[in-house]
Amino acid sequence: DSGVTQTPKHLITATGQRVTLRCSPRSGDLSVYWYQQSLDQGLQFLIQYYNGEERAKGNILERFSAQQFPDLHSELNLSSLELGDSALYFCASSVLPRTDTQYFGPGTRLTVL
Amino acid sequence: DQQVKQNSPSLSVQEGRISILNCDYTNSMFDYFLWYKKYPAEGPTFLISISSIKDKNEDGRFTVFLNKSAKHLSLHIVPSQPGDSAVYFCAASAGADNTGKLIFGQGTTLQVKP
Repeated sequence: DSGVTQTPKHLITATGQRVTLRCSPRSGDLSVYWYQQSLDQGLQFLIQYYNGEERAKGNILERFSAQQFPDLHSELNLSSLELGDSALYFCASSVLPRTDTQYFGPGTRLTVL
Repeated sequence: DQQVKQNSPSLSVQEGRISILNCDYTNSMFDYFLWYKKYPAEGPTFLISISSIKDKNEDGRFTVFLNKSAKHLSLHIVPSQPGDSAVYFCAASAGADNTGKLIFGQGTTLQVKP
């Protein structure tokens, strides 16, 4: 158990819908990261928050957004969902904002039908 | 442009022998490297890391070697155990960009046969 929690574990929804994925970092970790793993793909970096502020952005679609709240939990919002958004979404956390070990949550499997 | 590459999609090793997983990178700004193990339906589990100021880091059965001139790192598992069967990802970050963004390889599936 990494100490990073993610909810829900599974999510099935229809095209065009909007969903919210939630992540709670390890106790004491200030940095939260979101990654996407599509079928047969490696993990792709989406976005990083550090202590409530956006720190870095990857190839995140404009239909996707995220935020980190004062209690340091983070939410990833995916809207106007398409079939190609079906993937595993992982959250990770670390103490430092850079050059630090990231610990991953169990992931949310999103299926868009 | 794949900056981190794991050219071997799979590797099969006999229990008790050494497993060597390889990873190449192209970005000379990478200065921190990590290996993760992943079982199906679980998140990646951190194994071991190495900073670019070192060329070797050891933790129990796991050793990571870094060859900066060749832009190559490898993970050695000795002795290999059936429970090591999983997908292994190498990842890299560049501290100079002032973020923790990790760039991952595509993964290598390790099978350790009893």
